[in-house]
Amino acid sequence: EAQVTQNPRYLITVTGKKLTVTCSQNMNHEYMSWYRQDPGLGLRQIYYSMNVEVTDKGDVPEGYKVSRKEKRNFPLILESPSPNQTSLYFCASSFGGTSVNYYGYTFGSGTRLTVV
Amino acid sequence: AQKITQTQPGMFVQEKEAVTLDCTYDTSDQSYGLFWYKQPSSGEMIFLIYQGSYDEQNATEGRYSLNFQKARKSANLVISASQLGDSAMYFCAMGFSGGYNKLIFGAGTRLAVHP
Repeated sequence: EAQVTQNPRYLITVTGKKLTVTCSQNMNHEYMSWYRQDPGLGLRQIYYSMNVEVTDKGDVPEGYKVSRKEKRNFPLILESPSPNQTSLYFCASSFGGTSVNYYGYTFGSGTRLTVV
Repeated sequence: AQKITQTQPGMFVQEKEAVTLDCTYDTSDQSYGLFWYKQPSSGEMIFLIYQGSYDEQNATEGRYSLNFQKARKSANLVISASQLGDSAMYFCAMGFSGGYNKLIFGAGTRLAVHP
């Protein structure tokens, strides 16, 4: 089954304790992105990657890191989490390229992160 | 600037009636796609319907249709014959071809279907 797998689904952590949220896709997609969802703001892109070893900032990158060492994996790293990073996080992958269509975007199930 | 606006934070509808969720967008790009996603209380993002900027016909998927008015830059979602299971948050989003392949989302509309 074609899917994007995120782990964990739920995470409660303390301020300053480094954490990683994993994301893996099995569709051979080139593009992968991380979004955060906050009430009244919808989803906002944190980082994206166009291919292995190619990453760039989205709209809200502060406090986050990513890496793309393999095509299928795109982990999100919070080196020193703070309470304002409490949010619902989504990983998404897409074919990319020169056309946009609905085949392109697949979302993971989300990770609900609470930083206390 | 590229932006999606959903002006209805919350809506309610009677079961079996139709409901329209509003979405307006702003972009200077000629090639883009418009998406609607449903997010139930479980949190996952469920793709509903897509409209390409060059598509002349309005998209339809079962009980969902997208009322695309390009000159007005609107892409309203119409749900016909609402069901209790349609109660959820609904997001309108805009996607672009090219290098960054990003989706831009609106703030969402929470729909409640009443029996």
